[in-house]
Amino acid sequence: QSALTQPPSASGSPGQSVTISCTGTSSDVGAYIYVSWYQQHPGKAPKLMIYEVSKRPSGVPDRFSGSKSGNTASLTVSGLQAEDEADYYCLSYGGSNSFVLFGGGTKLTVL
Amino acid sequence: EVQLVESGGGLVQPGGSLRLSCAASGFTFGNSWMTWVRQPPGKGLEWVTKINQEGNEKFYVDSVKGRFTISRDNAKNSLYLQMNSLRAEDTAVYYCATEAYWRHDFWGQGTLVTVSS
Repeated sequence: QSALTQPPSASGSPGQSVTISCTGTSSDVGAYIYVSWYQQHPGKAPKLMIYEVSKRPSGVPDRFSGSKSGNTASLTVSGLQAEDEADYYCLSYGGSNSFVLFGGGTKLTVL
Repeated sequence: EVQLVESGGGLVQPGGSLRLSCAASGFTFGNSWMTWVRQPPGKGLEWVTKINQEGNEKFYVDSVKGRFTISRDNAKNSLYLQMNSLRAEDTAVYYCATEAYWRHDFWGQGTLVTVSS
C-alpha cells in the first residue's frame, strides 16, 4: 500500500496561482474518480477542499479547483491568500488491494 | 452542526492496549460510513480503517490487521477503535471522520496516542 506522490513543498506570492500534483498509478488515481484534497493548518484537523477530482464542497472558495490527467491529479489554488498557507494532502481510492491511499503532503507557503 | 469528538488517547507501553472512542452528533450517525485516520508527529496522514453503517463491513490498512478492531454503536452515536499489541510506530494523532465514497467531509479534533516505555 504505497502512498501517492506529492511534491514536499510549493510556494507563490499573494494573488498568484499555484498547482500541487498528486501522482499515483493506473490502479488508483488513474482508474477512479474518487480523488479528494484536504487542507490542514498546524495543529488542526484536515478540511475537505475537493472531492471526486473536481467538485467543491459548500463553503470552499472557488479559488480552489481540481483536475486529473492520467495517473496524476492536481489541485490549483488561484489568487493566493495568506490563509491558504497550509499542508495539502490528496487521497485516492486504491481499489480492493490498497483501498485508501493518501499522498505524502505538500507544504504550501505564501511568500 | 456536525461534531466528532475523540477520546481515549494517552501514553501506553509497547505491547499494550488502548480503546479510542468518537462521539458523533449533528448528523444521522447510523447512515454514515466512518473511518479512522492517523498522523504521526510531524508526518503525513495515513488511513487506518473504515466501517459501514451496520458495522458488518470493515477494512484495515495492512499494518494494523490483526491488532486493531473498529466497531460502532449506532444507539450511542459512537465509533470505537480497539488497539492491541501497540508498537512505537503506532504513535500518532488519531482522527475519526465521516466517509462517503472516499471523501471525508467531517473530522474530529484528534486524540494523541503515544506508545513508549
